[in-house]
Amino acid sequence: KQEVTQIPAALSVPEGENLVLNCSFTDSAIYNLQWFRQDPGKGLTSLLLIQSSQREQTSGRLNASLDKSSGRSTLYIAASQPGDSATYLCAVTDFNKFYFGSGTKLNVKP
Amino acid sequence: EAQVTQNPRYLITVTGKKLTVTCSQNMNHEYMSWYRQDPGLGLRQIYYSMNVEATDKGDVPEGYKVSRKEKRNFPLILESPSPNQTSLYFCASFSSRTGDYGYTFGSGTRLTVV
Repeated sequence: KQEVTQIPAALSVPEGENLVLNCSFTDSAIYNLQWFRQDPGKGLTSLLLIQSSQREQTSGRLNASLDKSSGRSTLYIAASQPGDSATYLCAVTDFNKFYFGSGTKLNVKP
Repeated sequence: EAQVTQNPRYLITVTGKKLTVTCSQNMNHEYMSWYRQDPGLGLRQIYYSMNVEATDKGDVPEGYKVSRKEKRNFPLILESPSPNQTSLYFCASFSSRTGDYGYTFGSGTRLTVV
């Protein structure tokens, strides 16, 4: 069974810092990997989706990379802002099912 | 606006009283799924549906039922709710036709069973 792990579980950084969130998965047979943001008590907002044939995707200050062979993905956030404070989840899909990590709770201090 | 709509957003009920949480999407997505989210356990899949009249169990289906009579709707039914079903529930959908299999989530339903 696919297992998705996110490290670290929590992260606190000062505003302006560049940071990296990590996601690893045990089975490389995936269709895609998706990064989400979740604010407390709210739904999940899709940030970036990387197809299995792609290596990275970028949106504004966010850049996500995918290395299928090693079962790893990273989410890079440039010039972090207090508004980036949220929980970030990664999910992989093998088409029939989606598997989520437990998330990284990010706090960006002003 | 393309979206997944869940109702209600908040619900408090008593043990054993049947309830239904509705989910509707306006994107003509084939695939729909229900998740529950609990502290320390993350998101766990309850049921999913590949298309109309095609449903299958996820990781934690016990105590839940679903139906998919129309493409846009995928209600979650709790026939006899128990306190251990107190949780935050999410409905999600995606389409294989777009080629990206990206998920769209509803805003969530916070259920409390007393």
